[in-house]
Amino acid sequence: GAGVSQSPSNKVTEKGKDVELRCDPISGHTALYWYRQRLGQGLEFLIYFQGNSAPDKSGLPSDRFSAERTGESVSTLTIQRTQQEDSAVYLCASSLGHSGGNTIYFGEGSWLTVV
Amino acid sequence: GENVEQHPSTLSVQEGDSAVIKCTYSDSASNYFPWYKQELGKRPQLIIDIRSNVGEKKDQRIAVTLNKTAKHFSLHITETQPEDSAVYFCAAPRGFKTIFGAGTRLFVKA
Repeated sequence: GAGVSQSPSNKVTEKGKDVELRCDPISGHTALYWYRQRLGQGLEFLIYFQGNSAPDKSGLPSDRFSAERTGESVSTLTIQRTQQEDSAVYLCASSLGHSGGNTIYFGEGSWLTVV
Repeated sequence: GENVEQHPSTLSVQEGDSAVIKCTYSDSASNYFPWYKQELGKRPQLIIDIRSNVGEKKDQRIAVTLNKTAKHFSLHITETQPEDSAVYFCAAPRGFKTIFGAGTRLFVKA
């Protein structure tokens, strides 16, 4: 499809386990974002990638969270030693360039439940 | 700070009435202001946006106004319908990334 693709769509994991979430942006989009949305809450910025520039990691809540992106292709968000408070929807988004003036398109999200 | 402030957090209107949601931003360099609608269990989707070179933009029942001097912008929905019930997010760029308001939960009562 032509949209932002995320996997898995749903993930239930035990506390303490590591999880990896994947995002495939729209082809040609150089900017890629990860946001976290807890149930009934807003969109919390996590990390931003723009082409081959150093990522903006200012939103990552702890060192248990990390993300990678190779060039302008897929990205993975890794959460180590998951905690119950990590339960949320993790939304990936992409845009043509940096967001100042470019529409951001969201994926369907990866729903993470930590039990 | 560098947040995007959004009000109200919840809004309930009768079908057919108008709804207005307001946002303020702090970065005077911001030049692009999108609004997203998120239905229950779905992804946020762009419904309208405005750039800093205009003061108002309309698309059928939806309009957005921008006051750059006061650094605030508003979403206006006229003749509301039950299918307008959703969470609405405003957003503004901060540097190269986009920051979202906390969201407004709109209920349209039939």
